[in-house]
Amino acid sequence: EDKVVQSPLSLVVHEGDTVTLNCSYEVTNFRSLLWYKQEKKAPTFLFMLTSSGIEKKSGRLSSILDKKELFSILNITATQTGDSAVYLCAVESVRYSTLTFGKGTMLLVSP
Amino acid sequence: NAGVTQTPKFQVLKTGQSMTLQCAQDMNHEYMSWYRQDPGMGLRLIHYSVGAGITDQGEVPNGYNVSRSTTEDFPLRLLSAAPSQTSVYFCASNPHTGGGETQYFGPGTRLLVL
Repeated sequence: EDKVVQSPLSLVVHEGDTVTLNCSYEVTNFRSLLWYKQEKKAPTFLFMLTSSGIEKKSGRLSSILDKKELFSILNITATQTGDSAVYLCAVESVRYSTLTFGKGTMLLVSP
Repeated sequence: NAGVTQTPKFQVLKTGQSMTLQCAQDMNHEYMSWYRQDPGMGLRLIHYSVGAGITDQGEVPNGYNVSRSTTEDFPLRLLSAAPSQTSVYFCASNPHTGGGETQYFGPGTRLLVL
């Protein structure tokens, strides 16, 4: 059974702080690992990672995958209140692109 | 393109009632999926389809039925609603040639079963 574990489950930081969100996984037929941001609606795609050691970057957000140790991290630098959201990690199976999600990390950025 | 649409946006049911959650996409995607999300949980796969006439069970299929008679539509049926089915339901679609980054989510249906 595919499994995704995220930590921490919740996090409160001050504006300007840097945060690191963790995601470990077990999946039978790995295709990719994905990060999403969710703000009281449908998840919004952030990154897709397929290869180890290659950092994906978008503005203040970045992510990297370690396929040997089966984990990924999502970094957010210089956090803003608009970063407050639930961040979901999911692994995609080769078979039909179905996704297995972690429980998410709820991030609250206080002014 | 409207993308993935879901109706209704919100529904209240009594225990034992039946209903169908509608999902439609206009992108000609082969793959479609239904997920449910409970408070403090990520999304969990209920059923999925890889094309018209082909469906399969996901992680939490009990209490739900699906069918896929056309590429565009993928309705989710609750035959006898239970309070444990109170949740937010998301439909998603993606082309068979794409990976997870091409998965499009609908806006969700919030279901309350009393």
